[in-house]
Amino acid sequence: DAGVTQSPTHLIKTRGQQVTLRCSPKSGHDTVSWYQQALGQGPQFIFQYYEEEERQRGNFPDRFSGHQFPNYSSELNVNALLLGDSALYLCASSRDRGLQPQHFGDGTRLSIL
Amino acid sequence: AQSVAQPEDQVNVAEGNPLTVKCTYSVSGNPYLFWYVQYPNRGLQFLLKYITGDNLVKGSYGFEAEFNKSQTSFHLKKPSALVSDSALYFCAVRDWAGGGADGLTFGKGTHLIIQP
Repeated sequence: DAGVTQSPTHLIKTRGQQVTLRCSPKSGHDTVSWYQQALGQGPQFIFQYYEEEERQRGNFPDRFSGHQFPNYSSELNVNALLLGDSALYLCASSRDRGLQPQHFGDGTRLSIL
Repeated sequence: AQSVAQPEDQVNVAEGNPLTVKCTYSVSGNPYLFWYVQYPNRGLQFLLKYITGDNLVKGSYGFEAEFNKSQTSFHLKKPSALVSDSALYFCAVRDWAGGGADGLTFGKGTHLIIQP
């Protein structure tokens, strides 16, 4: 039973570029959440998708957007990259709109030059 | 707004001794509390959760946590530490009263170092 998988594992971009990160949830899970973990910090909630809609959003600008597909997989898009966007981006999946524990992938390490 | 505080950046414990990693929280409604562990270059692994019921919650790898409503705390404990328990531990909370899709709010994490 595959857990949460994320791709790519590492990514290097320059300021102003755009990036797309991908996530496949654990089998049986229908809810996907995205988090940003800066170095030395705890994860910060970006947004959550359920039934292909954004259900809740954390304190992140509109440069951060997402999508959920009918197979429950999800993408995180970040436009106009800033140096401060360098972080580990974690995807978490769960059942019941997050009422059950979230299972995390190993993340995508994004570095902005 | 909900928040989590982990007052210790690092906790050092000798192998075989009991360990405690502290967490306090703030929510407007009833708390839904979690502990996760993170190993280097990995995602977070779920250890245990509290939503209602017994104040002492048992989880994975021999860990347990004690919920104290009056002190708004949810400390992680283990009776006998192993060197392999050395990792970064995160406490997280969401407001149970939300009822819908809510993201978790995490603390800053506590490095647990178990010395042989």
